[in-house]
Amino acid sequence: DSGVTQTPKHLITATGQRVTLRCSPRSGDLSVYWYQQSLDQGLQFLIQYYNGEERAKGNILERFSAQQFPDLHSELNLSSLELGDSALYFCASSVAKAGRYNEQFFGPGTRLTVL
Amino acid sequence: AQKITQTQPGMFVQEKEAVTLDCTYDTSDPSYGLFWYKQPSSGEMIFLIYQGSYDQQNATEGRYSLNFQKARKSANLVISASQLGDSAMYFCAMREGRRTGNQFYFGTGTSLTVIP
Repeated sequence: DSGVTQTPKHLITATGQRVTLRCSPRSGDLSVYWYQQSLDQGLQFLIQYYNGEERAKGNILERFSAQQFPDLHSELNLSSLELGDSALYFCASSVAKAGRYNEQFFGPGTRLTVL
Repeated sequence: AQKITQTQPGMFVQEKEAVTLDCTYDTSDPSYGLFWYKQPSSGEMIFLIYQGSYDQQNATEGRYSLNFQKARKSANLVISASQLGDSAMYFCAMREGRRTGNQFYFGTGTSLTVIP
């Protein structure tokens, strides 16, 4: 158990819908990262937050958005869903102290199926 | 250019043998960290081992060791005495610099199958 929690574990929805994925980082970790893993694209970095602020953006679609709240949990919002959005969505957290290459710890993932 | 390259999509190894999974990286930052993660069929991502660019010695964690060749920009994972439970996807990753905002870059992964 990495200490990172993600809910829900599975999500099945229809095209055009909107969903919210939730992540709670490990206690003490300030940095949260979101990744999308699909069969044909591998592990794609979406976005990173550090202590409530957006720090890095990867291949995140405009239909997707995220935020990190004062209690450090994070939510990833996916809207106008398409079949191609079906994937495993990971959240990872890191203590992200300056001066160290802190490893990321991954949550169990949310498997999203868009029908 | 790809930041992390894993050229072996699939590897097979006999149980109890050692196996090396290749990883090369590309960065101009003198300060970086290299990581390996394991993803079994259950889906979770498990952190295995870390190497800092200024570390003088190769990192080791139990049966895992990282063969770090800085001049060649390679960070190969060596698994000794393979076990059936080692069958999984393995991802190499890099984080550049030491600032808090730097993202991680992941390779495409290598699927390892341990044969009994």
